[in-house]
Amino acid sequence: AQTVTQSQPEMSVQEAETVTLSCTYDTSENNYYLFWYKQPPSRQMILVIRQEAYKQQNATENRFSVNFQKAAKSFSLKISDSQLGDTAMYFCAFMRRGNSKLTFGKGITLSVRP
Amino acid sequence: DAGITQSPRHKVTETGTPVTLRCHQTENHRYMYWYRQDPGHGLRLIHYSYGVKDTDKGEVSDGYSVSRSKTEDFLLTLESATSSQTSVYFCATQDEQGLKYNEQFFGPGTRLTVL
Repeated sequence: AQTVTQSQPEMSVQEAETVTLSCTYDTSENNYYLFWYKQPPSRQMILVIRQEAYKQQNATENRFSVNFQKAAKSFSLKISDSQLGDTAMYFCAFMRRGNSKLTFGKGITLSVRP
Repeated sequence: DAGITQSPRHKVTETGTPVTLRCHQTENHRYMYWYRQDPGHGLRLIHYSYGVKDTDKGEVSDGYSVSRSKTEDFLLTLESATSSQTSVYFCATQDEQGLKYNEQFFGPGTRLTVL
């Protein structure tokens, strides 16, 4: 079974600064996907970014980028130029390739201060 | 965004009563999922479906059943609600092909309170 660990329950960052959210996972699989989902106060789950384990290049989506360290089983999310709208809960998630079931971490609450 | 709706959006019920939550999608996605979200636990998979009448259990399936008689609808039933089932329930769908084949799209959630 896979496990996803987000050890920081909450973080705070000043607007326009950079923040990194940590995630580690445990799996014996070699082919899998990793995701970061955002849940703002509206409660809607929104996919922020995904990483395919067989790709060495770290994924980026505008201000969001990941640091994927496969050997260390680490998958952190970096948010650059933080905006007030980034205030949300962020979940790290794992999916084994060919399985289609997501395993989520417990989430981290990010607050962006004006 | 995939067209996913959940009904009801909020429900308060009493212990021991049956409850059915409905998920409806307009994207013709093959896979559908029910998760529950609780503080300190993230989202946990209750049941999922990989096609009409094809369902399977997730990690927290006790006390829940599901049915899928049409591609677009996935029902979650609590046969006899308990206070431990107070939670926010999310439905999700996933396509099996295309550029977003491994992305799950989520509904808006249903807040269920069992008194």
